[in-house]
Amino acid sequence: EVQLVESGGGLVQPGRSLRLSCTASGFTFGDYAMSWFRQAPGKGLEWVGFIRSKAYDETTEYAASVKGRFTISRDDSKSIAYLQMNSLKTEDTAVYYCSRVPFGSGGDYWGQGTLVTVSS
Amino acid sequence: DIQMTQSPSSLSASVGDRVTITCRASQGIRNDLGWYQQKPGKAPKRLIYAASSLQSGVPSRFSGSGSGTEFTLTISSLQPEDFATYYCLQHSSYPYTFGQGTKLEIK
Repeated sequence: EVQLVESGGGLVQPGRSLRLSCTASGFTFGDYAMSWFRQAPGKGLEWVGFIRSKAYDETTEYAASVKGRFTISRDDSKSIAYLQMNSLKTEDTAVYYCSRVPFGSGGDYWGQGTLVTVSS
Repeated sequence: DIQMTQSPSSLSASVGDRVTITCRASQGIRNDLGWYQQKPGKAPKRLIYAASSLQSGVPSRFSGSGSGTEFTLTISSLQPEDFATYYCLQHSSYPYTFGQGTKLEIK
């Protein structure tokens, strides 16, 4: 059974950093790209970014709203994807979801999400 | 960026009704579109991929159609567990973009 579990969320002050983790199980993690999405309170879904598999050099793509502040990485030996968030803003407050991305597809399986609150 | 215009934004329907939700892309996206269902406090669940392929385990009352710029999600006979918010997602080009969502409520 495919499982994705996000962790690392919490309350953080504006301008500070936070790293989220997405721990995967039930599939061969290294064969898949992984994506991060978010959802601000009461709002719709937003794509944050994407990391390809090692076969595609683990290259990344980002939404304009986070480019230069957020970094996605992965550790295939641990089956974990990371979202490093720097210079956080109040508008980054959201539930953050990770998702498995089969080739040529949007996310199929999603984690349960982790809440990040940016506030002073 | 590709804009996804989803309609309606909300919909009131009864159990047993047939409902259709539409997404229009601002430019052609082939069939690079998925449909997701989200219930309050829960993660999105993919229903349809590649515009018209049913995700494994999803009831056959859900169907998708379209290609290029016009896409539809149809629920043939609403069940109580189908009342939720639905989103389309294009993954044809970066940034991936969602429709604004359709909140399906019980009449």
